[in-house]
Amino acid sequence: AQSVSQHNHHVILSEAASLELGCNYSYGGTVNLFWYVQYPGQHLQLLLKYFSGDPLVKGIKGFEAEFIKSKFSFNLRKPSVQWSDTAEYFCAGAFGNTGKLIFGQGTTLQVKP
Amino acid sequence: SQTIHQWPATLVQPVGSPLSLECTVEGTSNPNLYWYRQAAGRGLQLLFYSVGIGQISSEVPQNLSASRPQDRQFILSSKKLLLSDSGFYLCASRPLNAAGSSYGYTFGSGTRLTVV
Repeated sequence: AQSVSQHNHHVILSEAASLELGCNYSYGGTVNLFWYVQYPGQHLQLLLKYFSGDPLVKGIKGFEAEFIKSKFSFNLRKPSVQWSDTAEYFCAGAFGNTGKLIFGQGTTLQVKP
Repeated sequence: SQTIHQWPATLVQPVGSPLSLECTVEGTSNPNLYWYRQAAGRGLQLLFYSVGIGQISSEVPQNLSASRPQDRQFILSSKKLLLSDSGFYLCASRPLNAAGSSYGYTFGSGTRLTVV
């Protein structure tokens, strides 16, 4: 069965620190991958997505993610986090023709000023 | 572009009462539609998805059901709510021709359901 897993459940960083959130998926076929962010009290917002082509994807707010097919991974990175990046981050994958979007468990990022 | 209308925004219901949450989509035809639930401290769990009118697939066994009476209408229901049904319910839409394309998902604003 398809699945998405996020390794870090709660991450605490200081401002200007670098960020990497892990995401792995389980599926043998074509997959579309996404990272969403949910700021406190707000709705889900798309950060970036990978469908095909360049495996290094750049998104909004300085985030990027790299699709490594051999590792079934799609890790999210940001070189220097800000206090405003405090939020919950979700990795998700769309598998097969139904386009079912399967989410990981989410990672809560807390950035200390 | 797609717009999803989801209501109500918040709902407090007693245990054993019925539930009906409605989601309607504008700006697209024949989309795939999805219901998700986000329980406190947990991620988003896919509950149901639909690829067309009257076509519903359930992802997890539960106390809830879904229906799609019209192309752009998706309803989440329960005959008798349980305490464990509390959570944040999100409707999502994806254009049917989005396979491998740049079309993405659109999420509704969600309904926060508290069962007391």
